[in-house]
Amino acid sequence: DVKVTQSSRYLVKRTGEKVFLECVQDMDHENMFWYRQDPGLGLRLIYFSYDVKMKEKGDIPEGYSVSREKKERFSLILESASTNQTSMYLCATTWTGDDYGYTFGSGTRLTVV
Amino acid sequence: RKEVEQDPGPFNVPEGATVAFNCTYSNSASQSFFWYRQDCRKEPKLLMSVYSSGNEDGRFTAQLNRASQYISLLIRDSKLSDSATYLCVVTKRDDKIIFGKGTRLHILP
Repeated sequence: DVKVTQSSRYLVKRTGEKVFLECVQDMDHENMFWYRQDPGLGLRLIYFSYDVKMKEKGDIPEGYSVSREKKERFSLILESASTNQTSMYLCATTWTGDDYGYTFGSGTRLTVV
Repeated sequence: RKEVEQDPGPFNVPEGATVAFNCTYSNSASQSFFWYRQDCRKEPKLLMSVYSSGNEDGRFTAQLNRASQYISLLIRDSKLSDSATYLCVVTKRDDKIIFGKGTRLHILP
């Protein structure tokens, strides 16, 4: 079974802090994604990566950056956290050309105060 | 028109009943289709892929209608444990994956 692990389940940070959300997968998937999920807005893609050191902006990249130094790890960085970044953050992985869908991590619920 | 649209519900259905959801998509070049289930405060989990020929997994049946650009999910003999949000997911040929906002289902005892 593919395992996608997100480092924190719940996180509380202060406005202006730099925040790192880590995602690690153990099945050698090429593709990794970061989403945020908010009530009424559904899942929105922040950034994704199809390979090591490769990154692409999703639909809402503003205020975020990512890092993929190793295939198994994809980090989401909030450079200067703001209250409107309070959300559930979900990491997901899949193989290229995969018709078997995503596997998600269990999510990080981030609150920025 | 939104790329993927679902009725947000909630659908309140008595236990044992049959319930059906539809999901419409706007891009005729869409390639793959899935239904995901998401429990409250949990991550989405793949429920089933949707094939042109239709597919069934126990009490769950998924159908794809490419001509009308919709997919459907039918749940028979619904159980209390079926209460969740059901997300429709569509992928395009450029590998872009689009999620619907989900349909909330409440099974009533």
